[in-house]
Amino acid sequence: DGGITQSPKYLFRKEGQNVTLSCEQNLNHDAMYWYRQDPGQGLRLIYYSQIVNDFQKGDIAEGYSVSREKKESFPLTVTSAQKNPTAFYLCASASTSFRELFFGEGSRLTVL
Amino acid sequence: DQQVKQNSPSLSVQEGRISILNCDYTNSMFDYFLWYKKYPAEGPTFLISISSIKDKNEDGRFTVFLNKSAKHLSLHIVPSQPGDSAVYFCAARVTNAGKSTFGDGTTLTVKP
Repeated sequence: DGGITQSPKYLFRKEGQNVTLSCEQNLNHDAMYWYRQDPGQGLRLIYYSQIVNDFQKGDIAEGYSVSREKKESFPLTVTSAQKNPTAFYLCASASTSFRELFFGEGSRLTVL
Repeated sequence: DQQVKQNSPSLSVQEGRISILNCDYTNSMFDYFLWYKKYPAEGPTFLISISSIKDKNEDGRFTVFLNKSAKHLSLHIVPSQPGDSAVYFCAARVTNAGKSTFGDGTTLTVKP
């Protein structure tokens, strides 16, 4: 089945620890995105990549880092510099023609 | 500065009636608009879209209307069904800009 796989679905972290969220897609899409959702709020863009080995900051990139070494993969690292990391993280991809975004099922990160 | 706004956090309608969800935007450069539907703990799924060269797009029970002069779009669901109960996000983008901007969402509840 074609789609986007995010892992882990749930993750707990202690303050001061870095964590990496995985995102893999087999849709052959060039563009990939990371969004964050907080309760009662919309989706805010963290980082996006339109091509391998290139990525751009979104609206809330501080405290996060990404890499795009392969077309299929776009991992997000939540660093200890992110002040409020507890949130629901969504990865998405889009084709070159960029109609709609295809989303994964999300990863919920809780900082203890 | 929130460029895409959904001013109604929630909407409740009776099964069989019409649901109207509204969205306003401020960036006149947006030329493509999309609606996504999201269930709890899942990623959003694409519902319907409209290009700025049109004022209406219909897909089954779902119709999106665009009023460019008012910078306003709306999603009509007729007839509403209990399975339509979800959070609906409005999104907008500039073609070739590579990213979408989302509203905060409207939670629709359809009562049997």
